[in-house]
Amino acid sequence: AQKITQTQPGMFVQEKEAVTLDCTYDTSDQSYGLFWYKQPSSGEMIFLIYQGSYDEQNATEGRYSLNFQKARKSANLVISASQLGDSAMYFCAMRGNNQGGKLIFGQGTELSVKP
Amino acid sequence: DVKVTQSSRYLVKRTGEKVFLECVQDMDHENMFWYRQDPGLGLRLIYFSYDVKMKEKGDIPEGYSVSREKKERFSLILESASTNQTSMYLCASSLQNFNEKLFFGSGTQLSVL
Repeated sequence: AQKITQTQPGMFVQEKEAVTLDCTYDTSDQSYGLFWYKQPSSGEMIFLIYQGSYDEQNATEGRYSLNFQKARKSANLVISASQLGDSAMYFCAMRGNNQGGKLIFGQGTELSVKP
Repeated sequence: DVKVTQSSRYLVKRTGEKVFLECVQDMDHENMFWYRQDPGLGLRLIYFSYDVKMKEKGDIPEGYSVSREKKERFSLILESASTNQTSMYLCASSLQNFNEKLFFGSGTQLSVL
């Protein structure tokens, strides 16, 4: 069985500071992908970043980076230089290569950026 | 521009009614998904489909069924709606491989009274 856990229901960060959102996972698949999505108050789901289980480098996309620690089964999202527009729900998700395409999500972390 | 379209943004139904939620994608994706989103619980997978007429149960299939007669369309059916099915329903689609991201529709907020 696969499982994704986000243990921070809510977080606050000061504008222009960096913040780390935690994500741990469990899977028996050898190959898998890890995804982060952002959901602002408008409700749309915005893809942020992807990390493959065999990628040697941590993924980066602009101000977003993924701190991937395979042995610890963690895939934390780091947002640098937070902006007010970063206030949103953030979801970690996983997809294994033996799951027939199934993708599962964590419970989410609500991030609030303070001016 | 890629698109996943859900037929209704808001829906209000009565207990016991049969409810159809429709989702259409224009990207020729093999995989389609139905999730429900509830505060504090994240997105939970109801059903997904990896091909026409093929479906797999997700984590919370009870009380739901699905239909995929054409590749571009994936329908979620509530046979007899109940108040505990009041939720936000999100449809998504993707290519087959595990490294492919999902594209989401804008969601349907269903209220069952």
